[in-house]
Amino acid sequence: NAGVTQTPKFRVLKTGQSMTLLCAQDMNHEYMYWYRQDPGMGLRLIHYSVGEGTTAKGEVPDGYNVSRLKKQNFLLGLESAAPSQTSVYFCASNPGLAAYEQYFGPGTRLTVT
Amino acid sequence: AQSVTQLGSHVSVSEGALVLLRCNYSSSVPPYLFWYVQYPNQGLQLLLKYTTGATLVKGINGFEAEFKKSETSFHLTKPSAHMSDAAEYFCAVTLQGAQKLVFGQGTRLTINP
Repeated sequence: NAGVTQTPKFRVLKTGQSMTLLCAQDMNHEYMYWYRQDPGMGLRLIHYSVGEGTTAKGEVPDGYNVSRLKKQNFLLGLESAAPSQTSVYFCASNPGLAAYEQYFGPGTRLTVT
Repeated sequence: AQSVTQLGSHVSVSEGALVLLRCNYSSSVPPYLFWYVQYPNQGLQLLLKYTTGATLVKGINGFEAEFKKSETSFHLTKPSAHMSDAAEYFCAVTLQGAQKLVFGQGTRLTINP
């Protein structure tokens, strides 16, 4: 099993450009999450999904959109990137409910200039 | 709403010394508590968790944590630090039936030879 994979690993964008980050998991997990990690701020939840076709807002959803068309994939979109979105993005999944262990991907380092 | 505070953004100990990383939570009902570890340039992985039952929880790599309801704490300890313990550690809280975790700000642990 590959676990949770993220594509790409690194990306540099110019302000105003758009991009999509892909998260894939092969564990048949119901729940998937997108976080951003910034120095001194821990992990902040952007959006999450409790099943195929469902999404919900997290703590910092502004400027991001998500889709979960297939159970194994969770996409994070930036429609018009801003320097404030420079961060490391992590995807995670778990079987269901937050009481279960979350399995994290290796992260995507995004720089917006 | 629940929250978690990690005291000390950076902790430095000598190899072989006691490791103590502090975590205090705020919750109006009994929480579920977690410690995750992040090694450099990697995603997070679960160290240990408390849901119900025994308040002293043992995790991987010799770490343990004790849930103290009266002190609203869930401090992480290891009797003897090893160089390989150098990483960032995150405390997280959730509630029974909840869909998401709330993470603390993280504590970077440095081990001095």
